[in-house]
Amino acid sequence: GQNIDQPTEMTATEGAIVQINCTYQTSGFNGLFWYQQHAGEAPTFLSYNVLDGLEEKGRFSSFLSRSKGYSYLLLKELQMKDSASYLCAVRDGDYKLSFGAGTTVTVRA
Amino acid sequence: IAGITQAPTSQILAAGRRMTLRCTQDMRHNAMYWYRQDLGLGLRLIHYSNTAGTTGKGEVPDGYSVSRANTDDFPLTLASAVPSQTSVYFCASSDRSGSYNEQFFGPGTRLTVL
Repeated sequence: GQNIDQPTEMTATEGAIVQINCTYQTSGFNGLFWYQQHAGEAPTFLSYNVLDGLEEKGRFSSFLSRSKGYSYLLLKELQMKDSASYLCAVRDGDYKLSFGAGTTVTVRA
Repeated sequence: IAGITQAPTSQILAAGRRMTLRCTQDMRHNAMYWYRQDLGLGLRLIHYSNTAGTTGKGEVPDGYSVSRANTDDFPLTLASAVPSQTSVYFCASSDRSGSYNEQFFGPGTRLTVL
């Protein structure tokens, strides 16, 4: 099984940067995903890491260290529309995902 | 249709009743999944199917059953609903031959069991 931990809530100001950490303990690892979920909506794919290092996609970046069982999602130039829950998920060798409980990010003006 | 659809959008159900949640995708993805999402617990996998004709149990399969008769449809059945099955249910699919194999989620079904 997987044990995935991420903070419950974070608050930041519009235009700022927020880093959401995710730590995991796994019985098998085949990639780490970040999803965004707005209230009342479905999760949507943000990023994927399978090798160590940083993946950048516009204002969002994701980092992975497999040896430390650690990832973070970096949100830059925060906008009000970034207020959402961010889900860290680890994929096992059978392509099943295990999700953390999610981090609710609130962006304030 | 585009993507994944789920029906119904929401449902209130009496305990003990049988209920089938429907999920259909038009992306020809080979793998499909059912999750439940509860406050503070995140998404938990109920059942999955790697390809039509096969299914597997996830983290919380008790009280649920699935079938995968074809590529597009993956219904989830609660044989005798109980209040602890009150939750938001998401269906997802993925293309195992894709570059990321990321899962795409349907809009969800909000189920209340009284």
